[in-house]
Amino acid sequence: GQNIDQPTEMTATEGAIVQINCTYQTSGFNGLFWYQQHAGEAPTFLSYNVLDGLEEKGRFSSFLSRSKGYSYLLLKELQMKDSASYLCAVVDSNYQLIWGAGTKLIIKP
Amino acid sequence: DAMVIQNPRYQVTQFGKPVTLSCSQTLNHNVMYWYQQKSSQAPKLLFHYYDKDFNNEADTPDNFQSRRPNTSFCFLDIRSPGLGDAAMYLCATSRDGGGANVLTFGAGSRLTVL
Repeated sequence: GQNIDQPTEMTATEGAIVQINCTYQTSGFNGLFWYQQHAGEAPTFLSYNVLDGLEEKGRFSSFLSRSKGYSYLLLKELQMKDSASYLCAVVDSNYQLIWGAGTKLIIKP
Repeated sequence: DAMVIQNPRYQVTQFGKPVTLSCSQTLNHNVMYWYQQKSSQAPKLLFHYYDKDFNNEADTPDNFQSRRPNTSFCFLDIRSPGLGDAAMYLCATSRDGGGANVLTFGAGSRLTVL
């Protein structure tokens, strides 16, 4: 079967750094997405990785290791508005999108 | 601004009473998707259209139907809602087919079944 694992919930402090991990076991790999979803709202695109390494985009960075089936999303200089769920999704060999259940990030002052 | 618009944002219905949710897009994207998302769960793909070609996920119940009368609009019909169908329904679009395309989501329609 296909599986995406993310922690259910994480807590961090405003101004700090947090790393949200995602591990996957899928039939093939054609890229990995991170989406942000505020409570009661639609997911919005954050990043897409298809090659190994780190991609930086402002305060957010995403890392991929295909050999380890592993990705992380790194959020720096946390702000209260970063409180949201972060969804990891993998594109499998059939170009189907396999979603994780998301990590709920709680930011405390 | 180009966007994906869903109506209504909140829908309350009675057990067994049909419901239609709508989605429109101004992005001129080829593909439109309907997802069901329950609290703290991954979005579940119900079906998608590549242009006029309809693709139904194998485990989507027959209770769920969809229509895409033109490029801009897509509808989700729930013929006889049950309590288990209470969820957020998300419409999304992408320029092309295949999972390696960025999805643009609408704000969602939250369905409550009494």
